[in-house]
Amino acid sequence: NAGVMQNPRHLVRRRGQEARLRCSPMKGHSHVYWYRQLPEEGLKFMVYLQKENIIDESGMPKERFSAEFPKEGPSILRIQQVVRGDSAAYFCASFQGLGQPQHFGDGTRLSIL
Amino acid sequence: TQLLEQSPQFLSIQEGENLTVYCNSSSVFSSLQWYRQEPGEGPVLLVTVVTGGEVKKLKRLTFQFGDARKDSSLHITAAQPGDTGLYLCAGRGGSQGNLIFGKGTKLSVKP
Repeated sequence: NAGVMQNPRHLVRRRGQEARLRCSPMKGHSHVYWYRQLPEEGLKFMVYLQKENIIDESGMPKERFSAEFPKEGPSILRIQQVVRGDSAAYFCASFQGLGQPQHFGDGTRLSIL
Repeated sequence: TQLLEQSPQFLSIQEGENLTVYCNSSSVFSSLQWYRQEPGEGPVLLVTVVTGGEVKKLKRLTFQFGDARKDSSLHITAAQPGDTGLYLCAGRGGSQGNLIFGKGTKLSVKP
């Protein structure tokens, strides 16, 4: 998974706090997907971002969740007022363009106390 | 809604045995991908199959795409402890090409 950097690798938050997850794509990649993985499950699509644009957020809960991919800097997945059910591993995958291979980061494991 | 069902969900075998895991859907996919994921890491792409009936080999791993492009299988010959991991199949779905994943097969190969 060299190239796609996610941080932090582990994040612990108390209920009601905010969680910010960062994803730096591979060099030259301007497209990012965010996925969520619950224990013993596959990954579920959340949101598709290009630089400065949200292309598809159909997999993301309408409340408390937001994502951005600014012109400079990493993509950010933000979860406000976290609840226990937000505990999961969050992965981002970057790619050059539609149809191109996606390269996954090693994820952020979010635990809500 | 496009879904991918993987079976079995768990598989525990001895080193040297052969195994097959399956990925099935009622929908047609333009391509299917197989990933392997180890604990604490992200999925790593093993192979992409595109053509119905296609067979691809990767050392001891053989991947097959069904003729109708609705199903796929992964066969491992003479499994080794290093093959232990979560095997995920995924197909491109949605209007923007995001991947739809199965729930995975958790393989444990005991020495």
